[in-house]
Amino acid sequence: DAKTTQPPSMDCAEGRAANLPCNHSTISGNEYVYWYRQIHSQGPQYIIHGLKNNETNEMASLIITEDRKSSTLILPHATLRDTAVYYCIVRVGVGNTPLVFGKGTRLSVIA
Amino acid sequence: GAVVSQHPSRVICKSGTSVKIECRSLDFQATTMFWYRQFPKQSLMLMATSNEGSKATYEQGVEKDKFLINHASLTLSTLTVTSAHPEDSSFYICSAPQGAVAYSYNEQFFGPGTRLTVL
Repeated sequence: DAKTTQPPSMDCAEGRAANLPCNHSTISGNEYVYWYRQIHSQGPQYIIHGLKNNETNEMASLIITEDRKSSTLILPHATLRDTAVYYCIVRVGVGNTPLVFGKGTRLSVIA
Repeated sequence: GAVVSQHPSRVICKSGTSVKIECRSLDFQATTMFWYRQFPKQSLMLMATSNEGSKATYEQGVEKDKFLINHASLTLSTLTVTSAHPEDSSFYICSAPQGAVAYSYNEQFFGPGTRLTVL
């Protein structure tokens, strides 16, 4: 079973920041927070991951609370191409364990 | 990032026939690959873990005799849906982790998926 809780859907105006929340209150000390997204009829795409520090890359920023029980994925300037289902996943960082997907958040970017 | 390919991207077959789906890691070796299935408007469900040189590990409720997995090399895993029926129609996706598995973070890369339609 997925260990995360996300809102089922969100809307965001094009050009604005999209903030996608995720609750993972039972996260263990050795588990990372991963974010993937899936555009319709494609395989999931890696976005970002983190352990306890905030992270930023060319796609997004990841803000993890100090107690690590929740996080927020931030797309700074959403475009129509960011419309997708976004999955927040917790998993140990090492080893060949699979990603277990929850229901994710369906983000709709509106012109 | 690393690339994982799948073939075919789309297949339509008659009920009772078998269909083989290939998953390849194009620029890295993968001792392990994962197979997922996704029904319309649902999330990805893990079906099995494919291990190079050994038997696959199946998730509860997945019939191993129906979904045959062969991890023939460090870059290729195949999923064969035997005696396919309409209820097997789904989007099948594979993934492979890359990295020094035992000692460092490794990232998983997903294939583009194969849409199977059984008539």
